[in-house]
Amino acid sequence: AQRVTQPEKLLSVFKGAPVELKCNYSYSGSPELFWYVQYSRQRLQLLLRHISRESIKGFTADLNKGETSFHLKKPFAQEEDSAMYYCALSGRWGSSGSARQLTFGSGTQLTVLP
Amino acid sequence: NAGVTQTPKFQVLKTGQSMTLQCAQDMNHNSMYWYRQDPGMGLRLIYYSASEGTTDKGEVPNGYNVSRLNKREFSLRLESAAPSQTSVYFCASSEGRGPAYNEQFFGPGTRLTVL
Repeated sequence: AQRVTQPEKLLSVFKGAPVELKCNYSYSGSPELFWYVQYSRQRLQLLLRHISRESIKGFTADLNKGETSFHLKKPFAQEEDSAMYYCALSGRWGSSGSARQLTFGSGTQLTVLP
Repeated sequence: NAGVTQTPKFQVLKTGQSMTLQCAQDMNHNSMYWYRQDPGMGLRLIYYSASEGTTDKGEVPNGYNVSRLNKREFSLRLESAAPSQTSVYFCASSEGRGPAYNEQFFGPGTRLTVL
């Protein structure tokens, strides 16, 4: 079974401070991992995916297979980063295991204080 | 493009009533999904449709049925609502193939309360 764990429900940092949102996963195959974000009164949207190795809005995330982690980091937090962040894993679903679907963590509410 | 649309935005039901949540997408996506979001639980997959004409159960399908009416529309039905189904329901869609396989686009959500 696949599982995604986000140990922090709430995280507060001051503007300009570094921020790290933790994500650990459990999956027997080769994982694909994602971070989704939901800003206040907006829809849930993709922030970044590990296969792209990209930096979006200053955020990066590195897949560490040894520690089964995919933590989201930003060196200098901004107030507009305040949002709900979900880590998600793409794994196989269905009776035949042929379809790949997303399993979401429970989310971390990030608040960046002025 | 409207993206993914959901109706209604809010709904209050009494225990035992039935209702259908509607979802439509205008991105010509192959795959569509229904999730529920509960406090402290994140999003949990109820049902999905990998392509037009197919549906399959997700993590929490009990008490729900779905219909992939055509490529654009994917509805979720509660036949006999229970208080445990009080939640926010999200519909999503994705290409379902290629590099963007798992980039899902979400609707605004339906907030359902069952009394």
